[in-house]
Amino acid sequence: KAGVTQTPRYLIKTRGQQVTLSCSPISGHRSVSWYQQTPGQGLQFLFEYFSETQRNKGNFPGRFSGRQFSNSRSEMNVSTLELGDSALYLCASSLGQGSNQPQHFGDGTRLSIL
Amino acid sequence: AQSVTQPDIHITVSEGASLELRCNYSYGATPYLFWYVQSPGQGLQLLLKYFSGDTLVQGIKGFEAEFKRSQSSFNLRKPSVHWSDAAEYFCAVSNAGNNRKLIWGLGTSLAVNP
Repeated sequence: KAGVTQTPRYLIKTRGQQVTLSCSPISGHRSVSWYQQTPGQGLQFLFEYFSETQRNKGNFPGRFSGRQFSNSRSEMNVSTLELGDSALYLCASSLGQGSNQPQHFGDGTRLSIL
Repeated sequence: AQSVTQPDIHITVSEGASLELRCNYSYGATPYLFWYVQSPGQGLQLLLKYFSGDTLVQGIKGFEAEFKRSQSSFNLRKPSVHWSDAAEYFCAVSNAGNNRKLIWGLGTSLAVNP
């Protein structure tokens, strides 16, 4: 079956703009998590959604938000973009919410801020 | 504070040689432990996981890892490395339960000489 699909793969924005990233999980998976990956900070957890509700949140400012739809697809929005938001944003899906549910990752969206 | 340390930023091995990637963690409760691999331009793939039971776990692609509670370590091993194993390897720790929040190491970059 199809894996986790993230769109777009690449995105270039300027400071102050906003951006929306999309993630389609594996069919049947109900949990979607988002991560930011940068060379300096590594992988950092943004948030997790399950059944259209945010269940867990990392330490990111309110400019970072997300939502999940009834078909489990998820979007992540970043407003008032800053240079430091340049990163690879990864989405991961799993069957359920528990820590024992392996996460399957998409190939990411690479966001560059000019 | 909870943390994961991968002491080796970069490792180079010859094809056919054995490999050990180190991972140390600091975690208050019994952790769930994971190893992921990331090839250039791609997302992360789960190699193996440890939840409980046998401390030596087998994963995909011929990898194994050993959980040593006394040393707070979860080192990844492979007896004979293939050129296709060149990639970035990440160790991660999570709590048990539904409040999943993966904490990641900064990764070890593996190069394989022919």
